[in-house]
Amino acid sequence: SYVLTQPPSVSVAPGETASLTCGGNNIGDKSVHWYQQKPGQAPVLVIYYNTDRPSGIPERFSGSNSGNTATLTLSRVEAGDEADYYCQVSDSFSDHRVFGGGTKLTVL
Amino acid sequence: QVLLVQSGAEVTKPGASVKVSCKASGYGFTTYDLNWVRQATGQGLEWMGRMNPENGNTAFAEKFQGRLNMTRNTSVNTVYMELSSLTSEDTAIYYCARGSGSYEFWGQGTLVTVSS
Repeated sequence: SYVLTQPPSVSVAPGETASLTCGGNNIGDKSVHWYQQKPGQAPVLVIYYNTDRPSGIPERFSGSNSGNTATLTLSRVEAGDEADYYCQVSDSFSDHRVFGGGTKLTVL
Repeated sequence: QVLLVQSGAEVTKPGASVKVSCKASGYGFTTYDLNWVRQATGQGLEWMGRMNPENGNTAFAEKFQGRLNMTRNTSVNTVYMELSSLTSEDTAIYYCARGSGSYEFWGQGTLVTVSS
């Protein structure tokens, strides 16, 4: 089965930029989606199909996907961005979906 | 607005089965797949499977083959997830989520506790 690898934790100072990675074999050929999850809450979709933002998600959230790595970039990080972030892939050749293990973003 | 409302918390014993419901409203029920995703305490998200409510077709993660079933009742816009042969490792919050690729809408989650 397809494996997605995320670093367990990333720390960033307020106002700086955080880059959260999601590694997978030829992940650039797939569609990557990103979720933010705060304690006690259901996940929230923040990026879909590699680069698109749902309505209500700040422009500070952006995504990219190429080769073996997809990246979620949070610019001008705020304290409220502290959460767990999960990547997930989909492709038209498979009925199955998979999540990465998640990255805990800490705002220092 | 789109809402996915799940049934309440369950406590069940090892070896038993549990059935959790997800009632959809605010959109065409047969238009989007419904997925089930679970999360054990302190752990990550785990995709379990999905159903096409229009035709009832399902796809399950290999890990759950043989003990996971999904059904639907289109008259009440509800999808059901049933997991059998439960062990303590199945203790988790179970979420339904709408979508085929990405999941923009999620249920509130249902805590299933497996304990003797």
